[in-house]
Order: sequence, then C-alpha cells, then structure tokens
Amino acid sequence: SAVISQKPSRDICQRGTSLTIQCQVDSQVTMMFWYRQQPGQSLTLIATANQGSEATYESGFVIDKFPISRPNLTFSTLTVSNMSPEDSSIYLCSVRVGTGGYNEQFFGPGTRLTVL
Amino acid sequence: AQSVTQLDSHVSVSEGTPVLLRCNYSSSYSPSLFWYVQHPNKGLQLLLKYTSAATLVKGINGFEAEFKKSETSFHLTKPSAHMSDAAEYFCVSISGGYNKLIFGAGTRLAVHP
Repeated sequence: SAVISQKPSRDICQRGTSLTIQCQVDSQVTMMFWYRQQPGQSLTLIATANQGSEATYESGFVIDKFPISRPNLTFSTLTVSNMSPEDSSIYLCSVRVGTGGYNEQFFGPGTRLTVL
Repeated sequence: AQSVTQLDSHVSVSEGTPVLLRCNYSSSYSPSLFWYVQHPNKGLQLLLKYTSAATLVKGINGFEAEFKKSETSFHLTKPSAHMSDAAEYFCVSISGGYNKLIFGAGTRLAVHP
C-alpha cells in the first residue's frame, strides 16, 4: 500500500498568482499522477509524472499552466500558474504500486483550491 | 474508445435497505474494473476490483459487485445501507496497457434514517 500526504490541504488564492502543491509518498513509487476534480465533477487526469522523465500531459493541459516536478521516487509538486477562478478545484496526487498486471492506485486527500 | 457510464448521479436509500449503484462499461476487450468511494473532504478509497478472476467481487464494508459481460455491467451492491455509506462512488476502468484510470461521472449516495 501507499500513504500519500498533500500540502496544503486547502488554499484561497488571488487571480493571477501561482500555487505549488506538494505530494509526499511513504514509499518509493515509479508512477505518479495528478488529477483535477472540479466542483461536483469526476476526476480528470492532468498528467503522469514518472521519475527520471518529463511529465506527460493529457489533452487540454499544458506544462506552462501546470508545471510538474518529480525530483525523486517519493515526492512530486504540481504548480497551478497564473490562476483564474476556473482553476478552483480539488487537486489530487495519486500513485500506483505493485508488480505485474494491474497494480492498485492510491490517492492523496487532495488540495482544495479556491481562486478569487 | 473505452468509457464508463454511471447511470444514476444521485441515489437515496433508507438505512437498512439495499443499495444498488449502476455502472456500464464499454471496452473492446476484457476490462479491469474498480469501485472507489470518496467521503466528504477525504481522498478516494478502493472498495473493490475486478481483474478477470471471479465475476462476483467482494469488497470492503460489505459491498460487492458482479461483472456481467453479456450486459457490460459492473453494478455495486450492498444488502443493508448504513449511515456511514453516504459518499460519492466512482466506477473506474483502466485503459489498455494498464496506463490510465478512466472515471465514471460518479454517483452520490444519500442514506436517510
């Protein structure tokens, strides 16, 4: 299993500023993911961040807006840049652990972001 | 393309009555399917998973789901609802190559006394 913590748990930010969200895992994992959950919506994958390679972004998400760092196997950051009210969402970090076939995916508690 | 459809956005039941949350999938091959639960202000927790073994899958907290290929369904059930079951439930499949999770829109379960 994996225990994931995120900082901050919530924040209220002004339009035009940036926020960096930290994700810490209690074990070494290769595959790490960042998701967005807009109010009342399901989860949307932003990017996959594997250690040792650049993050892979999904359609509709770009590196300039959501830069990601993955300096080691237990840590990652997601920055939400030049924020607007439309960025108000819960941002979740997720990791996949195990070997062979499908491996279970664990989720952090999320960072609730409100942009004014 | 692979997709997951949760047929009900909201389900309301009385405590002690059965729960049925419906999920249909589309896939060109035998999928891996999951149910996750999200309690308010908490992260997602895996309830159960189907990965081509037994078609009836038992999960935590008394939940179970049955994979029916002929109906392309993976409905989640529980014989008797508890107040603590009130949460958002997501039916999830995984894309080919075990790369990405594909989430349904979610079903909000309300449990009334």
